Amino acid sequence: GDSVTQMEGPVTLSEEACLTINCTYTATGYPSLFWYVQYPGEGLQLLLKATKADDKGSNKGFEATYRKETTSFHLEKGSVQVSDSAVYFCALSDWGAQKLVFGQGTRLTINP
Amino acid sequence: DVKVTQSSRYLVKRTGEKVFLECVQDMDHENMFWYRQDPGLGLRLIYFSYDVKMKEKGDIPEGYSVSREKKERFSLILESASTNQTSMYLCASSLPTNRGSGNTIYFGEGSWLTVV
Repeated sequence: GDSVTQMEGPVTLSEEACLTINCTYTATGYPSLFWYVQYPGEGLQLLLKATKADDKGSNKGFEATYRKETTSFHLEKGSVQVSDSAVYFCALSDWGAQKLVFGQGTRLTINP
Repeated sequence: DVKVTQSSRYLVKRTGEKVFLECVQDMDHENMFWYRQDPGLGLRLIYFSYDVKMKEKGDIPEGYSVSREKKERFSLILESASTNQTSMYLCASSLPTNRGSGNTIYFGEGSWLTVV
């Protein structure tokens, strides 16, 4: 079945550091790929998405590129802020499927 | 903005009690979902519904049931709560894929359930 694997956390960085959170997937069809973010005490919010190969999703300085050849969708940001501290979830939805499959989440803490 | 509202943020229930978690969405979405979130396990799908009175089991339906009598409302029911159902429960909704939504799923803020 479909699955998503994220890099193990927690990840702790200093403010203005570069961020990469790795995400790889296994899917039988042509999935759409997502990054969701969960701030402390809140539900999940869509951060960005990509619906086909080579698409780049971007939002709030974060980017991720849909790489079909490596089945990856790594999340990147050039300069993180304290306010980026949250749990980040990579997810996929296979074409025609109505639901998301999530990775286990990566907790990110940014220190001032 | 899409709004998914979960009626209770924090609940404490006793083992064996029947528990209802209510969820309402205001965007006329066909699809609604209940996920459970546990540390190190990510989000796991309990049940989803793609129309009124329709439901499908997700990955971990045991011990749970659901009700979708109206399009905007999706209830999760724990028939006899147990301590291993202590968790964060997240409701979500979306348009179906054939409506061009790219399957963006919108989440509520979550309900923290503790079973003692």
